[in-house]
Amino acid sequence: GAVVSQHPSWVICKSGTSVKIECRSLDFQATTMFWYRQFPKQSLMLMATSNEGSKATYEQGVEKDKFLINHASLTLSTLTVTSAHPEDSSFYICSARDGRAGLNQPQHFGDGTRLSIL
Amino acid sequence: RKEVEQDPGPFNVPEGATVAFNCTYSNSASQSFFWYRQDCRKEPKLLMSVYSSGNEDGRFTAQLNRASQYISLLIRDSKLSDSATYLCVPRSGYALNFGKGTSLLVTP
Repeated sequence: GAVVSQHPSWVICKSGTSVKIECRSLDFQATTMFWYRQFPKQSLMLMATSNEGSKATYEQGVEKDKFLINHASLTLSTLTVTSAHPEDSSFYICSARDGRAGLNQPQHFGDGTRLSIL
Repeated sequence: RKEVEQDPGPFNVPEGATVAFNCTYSNSASQSFFWYRQDCRKEPKLLMSVYSSGNEDGRFTAQLNRASQYISLLIRDSKLSDSATYLCVPRSGYALNFGKGTSLLVTP
């Protein structure tokens, strides 16, 4: 089945550090990738949608200068949390959509990245 | 109004029990529907898609009522490994809309 690899799985950093999270589709071309964030006991919240070769579309309330998204190839999207602060500590999950799949086909999720900012 | 509403639970049931989860969604333009399960501190995993005619996959049965904007999931013969949070996920466009889900704990 389709596999999405997300790296790193766990990050602990000092406040002010920038953190890059990678999301790779291993056996399919992901024309669209999605970045979600989940706080404890809360639902997954879509942060942004990225299409290969174009700028990401951010959801309301998500700062595009704070969360930089790059989707330079059909198999890789990155999310960079710039100058991270403790309130950015969360579980970040990417998902990818196979470009050949119909709309009714599900997205494939990465394993998630647990980010802790001290 | 939240896009997806589910009883958060937790539902505590003994092994072998049958348990049902319900979900309502607000976006009438939602085009397809899924049930995901999420284990603690893990990514969501697709359990099954939900079709208008209802569908079954082993011990799991899903139903969709578009008129009432209501989705259900029935789990028969619960196993300990079914303990997780169950997420009802409608899709509109490419976006999946997640609620907080319903927690299930199956006990021996």
